[in-house]
Amino acid sequence: ETGVTQTPRHLVMGMTNKKSLKCEQHLGHNAMYWYKQSAKKPLELMFVYSLEERVENNSVPSRFSPECPNSSHLFLHLHTLQPEDSALYLCASSRLPWSGDTDTQYFGPGTRLTVL
Amino acid sequence: QKEVEQNSGPLSVPEGAIASLNCTYSDRGSQSFFWYRQYSGKSPELIMFIYSNGDKEDGRFTAQLNKASQYVSLLIRDSQPSDSATYLCAVQGGSEKLVFGKGTKLTVNP
Repeated sequence: ETGVTQTPRHLVMGMTNKKSLKCEQHLGHNAMYWYKQSAKKPLELMFVYSLEERVENNSVPSRFSPECPNSSHLFLHLHTLQPEDSALYLCASSRLPWSGDTDTQYFGPGTRLTVL
Repeated sequence: QKEVEQNSGPLSVPEGAIASLNCTYSDRGSQSFFWYRQYSGKSPELIMFIYSNGDKEDGRFTAQLNKASQYVSLLIRDSQPSDSATYLCAVQGGSEKLVFGKGTKLTVNP
């Protein structure tokens, strides 16, 4: 697969649980992204980090909390989620975020999240 | 609200035929256009990108862009059963985020 890895690949959690999703990229990219993919809906951009600083937050509920400790790692901390948050969560990375250059994003395998 | 529209399909073609996948977009200022392939249960993988009007060919795949009509397409020649997947169109403005369509599901029948 690509140089973007995600763990865990599958996660089942209750609404009161706290869990974290992890993403790591080995491509030397400067930007990392979290997307949510629900059935029959387009990919939804959640967060963007450029050089470890958050540059985009698409009005995501506060029960999702991202963390980017360095340019290779990205986390998504989850707490008190709702059943409608069940989806595939995809991490992606790219060389430069929206620099005007072609922004080719490479995706990780995703975490399939089920909230009971 | 910038939108990217794709026919959700499913689109079914026989093996060896040409599969034609279409995408329209609302933002006339869009500059870069991407096609991703996503197998069931897998993450999207980039197939091609195009940013100039006209055709761009890579093996069996041809991307076509018509900015005046705000239309981008992907042709797959000599379709194979392994091409069966959902194809996502994504569009980017000069300094803006990538916007994805819902995807078109393609089935290639042996």
